[in-house]
Amino acid sequence: KQEVTQIPAALSVPEGENLVLNCSFTDSAIYNLQWFRQDPGKGLTSLLLIQSSQREQTSGRLNASLDKSSGRSTLYIAASQPGDSATYLCAVRLIKAAGNKLTFGGGTRVLVKP
Amino acid sequence: NAGVTQTPKFRVLKTGQSMTLLCAQDMNHEYMYWYRQDPGMGLRLIHYSVGEGTTAKGEVPDGYNVSRLKKQNFLLGLESAAPSQTSVYFCASREKRQGKLGTEAFFGQGTRLTVV
Repeated sequence: KQEVTQIPAALSVPEGENLVLNCSFTDSAIYNLQWFRQDPGKGLTSLLLIQSSQREQTSGRLNASLDKSSGRSTLYIAASQPGDSATYLCAVRLIKAAGNKLTFGGGTRVLVKP
Repeated sequence: NAGVTQTPKFRVLKTGQSMTLLCAQDMNHEYMYWYRQDPGMGLRLIHYSVGEGTTAKGEVPDGYNVSRLKKQNFLLGLESAAPSQTSVYFCASREKRQGKLGTEAFFGQGTRLTVV
């Protein structure tokens, strides 16, 4: 069974520091990996999608890497801002999963202090 | 561009009552999903649909039913609500997979349901 783990569960950094969020998964037979942001009481906003054949994706201050063979992805957020405070979720889409559903990690709750 | 819209956003039910959650997407996506999110449990798949007229069970289907009569709508029904169904419900949709490339999932804003 695919397991997706995000460590740490919570992270607090001062404004301006770079954020490094980790995601690991046990089954490397994936189509892609997706990073989401969730604000308290809100829905999930897609940040980045990395296909299994890609090594990284970038969008503005966000950069996500993927090492499928070791079952790891890392989300980097450069020069963090208080507005980056949220919970970040990673999810993988397994090749053999019925309906190609997403399997989610538990999330990392980030607080960026002004 | 609305994307994925869920109604209602909040609801309080008494045990035994029934209700239907509506998910609508305007992106012509084939696949639609219903997840629930609970503290310490993450997001878990309830039911999903790979096209109009089709539905299938996910990880936690008990106590729920779904229907996909129109491609743009995916309904989640609770026939007899129980306190264990207190949760935040999210609908998602995405395009059909294109060869070996997976497609991006888009989520609604959620429905916060409390069963008392």
